[in-house]
Amino acid sequence: DIQMTQSPSTLSASVGDRVIIICRASQSINSWLAWYQQKPGKAPKLLIYKASTLESGVPSRFSGSGSGTEFTLTISSLQPDDFATYYCQQYKTYSIFTFGPGTKVDIK
Amino acid sequence: EVQLVESGGGLVQPGGSLRLSCVASRFTFSNYWMSWVRQTPGKGLEWVANIKPDGSEKYYVDSVKGRFTISRDNAGNSLFLQMNSLQAEDTAMYYCARTAGAIAFDSWGLGTRVTVSS
Repeated sequence: DIQMTQSPSTLSASVGDRVIIICRASQSINSWLAWYQQKPGKAPKLLIYKASTLESGVPSRFSGSGSGTEFTLTISSLQPDDFATYYCQQYKTYSIFTFGPGTKVDIK
Repeated sequence: EVQLVESGGGLVQPGGSLRLSCVASRFTFSNYWMSWVRQTPGKGLEWVANIKPDGSEKYYVDSVKGRFTISRDNAGNSLFLQMNSLQAEDTAMYYCARTAGAIAFDSWGLGTRVTVSS
């Protein structure tokens, strides 16, 4: 099975900061990588799919990159609404999907 | 806007059963793979199961194989998860999610909570 890791697990940042979250897969998943944002008590929200495609309606300060086994989610200028937990997910095959353990972005 | 509404959660004793439902609207349900995803309290997300549009293929995470069954009723725009032999470790919020091919899980319901406890 494909395992996903994320770093850091927690990130403290200030409004306006550039934030980078790393996601790694245990084997190549090509570009079958999605990023989700989740706020407390809410369902996850899709931000990016196919590693770098921004979901409709998602602010352009969010971007994704990478392929194979290493991926990044970048928030170019952190906004108050961005404090949340972020998950990566591989969806290379429909027989199993795997989420990363999450990265909590909180206020410094 | 796509709408997914889960129901059927609740408190159940270990070894018991529950059937979760998810009613879909505002899209052509029969064209999409659908998934169940769960989140244990204070923890991360875990994909549980998914089902092909025509119901002919189903996949499960290892920890629920043989205990959970995913199904769908395309005429009724509904997704189901039959959960048997429930264990404490199954305690979680359960979400249904539309699985939109290359677009991953693009729509989620609000979730239904399952608590397994004596």
